[in-house]
Amino acid sequence: DTGVSQNPRHKITKRGQNVTFRCDPISEHNRLYWYRQTLGQGPEFLTYFQNEAQLEKSRLLSDRFSAERPKGSFSTLEIQRTEQGDSAMYLCASSPPIPLYEQYFGPGTRLTVT
Amino acid sequence: GQQLNQSPQSMFIQEGEDVSMNCTSSSIFNTWLWYKQDPGEGPVLLIALYKAGELTSNGRLTAQFGITRKDSFLNISASIPSDVGIYFCAGPPMDSNYQLIWGAGTKLIIKP
Repeated sequence: DTGVSQNPRHKITKRGQNVTFRCDPISEHNRLYWYRQTLGQGPEFLTYFQNEAQLEKSRLLSDRFSAERPKGSFSTLEIQRTEQGDSAMYLCASSPPIPLYEQYFGPGTRLTVT
Repeated sequence: GQQLNQSPQSMFIQEGEDVSMNCTSSSIFNTWLWYKQDPGEGPVLLIALYKAGELTSNGRLTAQFGITRKDSFLNISASIPSDVGIYFCAGPPMDSNYQLIWGAGTKLIIKP
């Protein structure tokens, strides 16, 4: 399977704990995106990487959120001191250099903060 | 900021029916994308549109890029049970080259 993969698929954590999610993009894609989706809404953009450089961050990405893509391949999204409002589906997408806007999504990580 | 409005919010359809949904914005988009999302899964890209007036098909799906560049339409012909899901429109806002903004989706439900 050469699609975008995300791990874990589900994560339940207690408020105040840190969590980390991983995304493996399609191998030839140099662009990687993180989105957050809550029930009944479309995805909301969090951040974007071109190769290893983080080029754009949403103001939704508070200080408790950090993302990395150290070697321009896989990426991690960490949430520190989780809050109940962080409960959501976290989606990762990747895209090739062209066409620019065609983003391909992974299955997501469902986070539940209790 | 730019927003995308999708209608209808949900539709009940019978197998075999044709389906139409649309997506509108108060501002211009240069690209429109249509995605489908099944429960518990990520969105899957269906159709991408790049030029005003463009009509593009993918099997039983046809999408159009509105002439004003402020809207787009998706039609599904002869619906089948696996068409059930949520359909999203998305597009890049004018102030970003990378992110997509999304509508709230149109939920397709098959009548029993």
